[in-house]
Amino acid sequence: DTAVSQTPKYLVTQMGNDKSIKCEQNLGHDTMYWYKQDSKKFLKIMFSYNNKELIINETVPNRFSPKSPDKAHLNLHINSLELGDSAVYFCASSPGQGREQYFGPGTRLTVT
Amino acid sequence: GESVGLHLPTLSVQEGDNSIINCAYSNSASDYFIWYKQESGKGPQFIIDIRSNMDKRQGQRVTVLLNKTVKHLSLQIAATQPGDSAVYFCAECSNTDKLIFGTGTRLQVFP
Repeated sequence: DTAVSQTPKYLVTQMGNDKSIKCEQNLGHDTMYWYKQDSKKFLKIMFSYNNKELIINETVPNRFSPKSPDKAHLNLHINSLELGDSAVYFCASSPGQGREQYFGPGTRLTVT
Repeated sequence: GESVGLHLPTLSVQEGDNSIINCAYSNSASDYFIWYKQESGKGPQFIIDIRSNMDKRQGQRVTVLLNKTVKHLSLQIAATQPGDSAVYFCAECSNTDKLIFGTGTRLQVFP
């Protein structure tokens, strides 16, 4: 009965690799997001999708590419991983713009 | 640029006391505000929200106060419990639907 789920919870990989993080929500929400939380706990939005359409794209490197196969899923693919990509990545969903957002448990990415 | 900040990075309170966590925001166009609680190893958890047409909203043991004149937001937790120990974030939202998070305040509850 998990509302927003992410896989994997932990991801350890080497520089230069390509990896994906998956997110699914069973709340029936139209809008989904990806956030990055750095080592100082600062949370910053990366992307948002509304009904599979990209709405927000912050100044994120092109190596990050979100993919929304349907409105219940928003995956994050990262190419050519760098040390600075190490962080916790959170997926979130919302019933609509200007509404509360519900977060997944996070994926801790460590790039070595 | 837009920013949301907190006055106290760490707040220590005794169990049973009331806690007040403060937040300053800079975008006067923000019309929606949310408080989140994040426990160690977990995602942010929605606590309470408030829109700019209100100055106070109460939930279970929590109250959010909004002062638009000085762009200040606070979260009050009544009878603080050990389970309230976490990092608390305020977030503001304007018509862009982008949540701007503050830097977070760590609440430590001592028995």
